Amino acid sequence: GDSVTQTEGPVTLSEGTSLTVNCSYETKQYPTLFWYVQYPGEGPQLLFKVPKANEKGSNRGFEATYNKEATSFHLQKASVQESDSAVYYCALSEPSGSWQLIFGSGTQLTVMP
Amino acid sequence: DPKIIQKPKYLVAVTGSEKILICEQYLGHNAMYWYRQSAKKPLEFMFSYSYQKLMDNQTASSRFQPQSSKKNHLDLQITALKPDDSATYFCASSQDAGSSYEQYFGPGTRLTVL
Repeated sequence: GDSVTQTEGPVTLSEGTSLTVNCSYETKQYPTLFWYVQYPGEGPQLLFKVPKANEKGSNRGFEATYNKEATSFHLQKASVQESDSAVYYCALSEPSGSWQLIFGSGTQLTVMP
Repeated sequence: DPKIIQKPKYLVAVTGSEKILICEQYLGHNAMYWYRQSAKKPLEFMFSYSYQKLMDNQTASSRFQPQSSKKNHLDLQITALKPDDSATYFCASSQDAGSSYEQYFGPGTRLTVL
């Protein structure tokens, strides 16, 4: 079945350093890819989505490129801030079926001041 | 103002009892969903509805029954509760059903079954 695998956490960084969270996926179809962020006590919030291969999504300094050949969608940020501390989820949605989101296991990021 | 309301925020139940989790969305969306998040598993899809009709059910148990009384409501009834049902349940919605539509999540209901 379809699946999403992402960097295992927790990840701890200092403010101002760069972030990469790896995400790879398996599917027989041509999915839309998403990054969500979840803060304690809240539901997941959409960071951005990318529906087409070779396109890039970005928001709040985070970005990821849909790499169909490598089946990857790595999240990057050049300079993290303490407020970026949260859990990050990579997810996919198939073009047919129930349009459910299939999530990775999440990556806990802690940014130290 | 919150666009997706879930009630209650916290819920404690005894094994064997029945509870209803409430979800209302004020985004004007036509598709709604339920997901579950537990300590053992990542966010896990349960149901999807489009225009108040069930599109998909990925729960293995009939103890979980969604109920859509209005277009912007999708409640979740859980019967014969078990400790393994303890989790945070998230309601979500999207403009329409389709892979390119963003799903927006509510704040969740944390259920503890004793």
